[in-house]
Amino acid sequence: DSGVTQTPKHLITATGQRVTLRCSPRSGDLSVYWYQQSLDQGLQFLIQYYNGEERAKGNILERFSAQQFPDLHSELNLSSLELGDSALYFCASSVVPGTEAFFGQGTRLTVV
Amino acid sequence: GESVGLHLPTLSVQEGDNSIINCAYSNSASDYFIWYKQESGKGPQFIIDIRSNMDKRQGQRVTVLLNKTVKHLSLQIAATQPGDSAVYFCAEDITQGGSEKLVFGKGTKLTVNP
Repeated sequence: DSGVTQTPKHLITATGQRVTLRCSPRSGDLSVYWYQQSLDQGLQFLIQYYNGEERAKGNILERFSAQQFPDLHSELNLSSLELGDSALYFCASSVVPGTEAFFGQGTRLTVV
Repeated sequence: GESVGLHLPTLSVQEGDNSIINCAYSNSASDYFIWYKQESGKGPQFIIDIRSNMDKRQGQRVTVLLNKTVKHLSLQIAATQPGDSAVYFCAEDITQGGSEKLVFGKGTKLTVNP
């Protein structure tokens, strides 16, 4: 158990819908990262937060957004969902940027 | 552009043999590298890391080698066990101007035959 908790584990939704994925980082970790993993793209970095502030953006679509709350948990919002958004979404956390990052078990999103 | 790639998509070894998984990276400014292991249905699990001021780092049954001259990273697993079967990713930590992200390679699937 990495100490990073992601909910829900599985999510099935229809195209055009909006979902929210939740991540609780390890206790004491200030940095949170979101990744998308699909079969053809591998692990793709989406976005990073540090102590509530956005620090880096990767290949994140405009339909997607995220935030980190004062208690350091983070949410990833995916809207206007398309079939191609079906993937595993991972959250990771680290104490500070540039140190060992621990991953959660992921949320498997299926868009039908 | 920045990229981290793996030379071999699959690797099959016999139990007890040593395994070597290779990785090439392209960003010469990167100074932190990590190997992750991902088992089916699970999230990536940290194995070992290395910073650019080192050439070699050893853990329990694992060794990471870094060759900055040719921008090459390798993971060596000694006495490979069936439980080592998984997909292994190398990741390059790119920190620029206060922002940071991990760029992952495509992964190598290691299969350990009993």
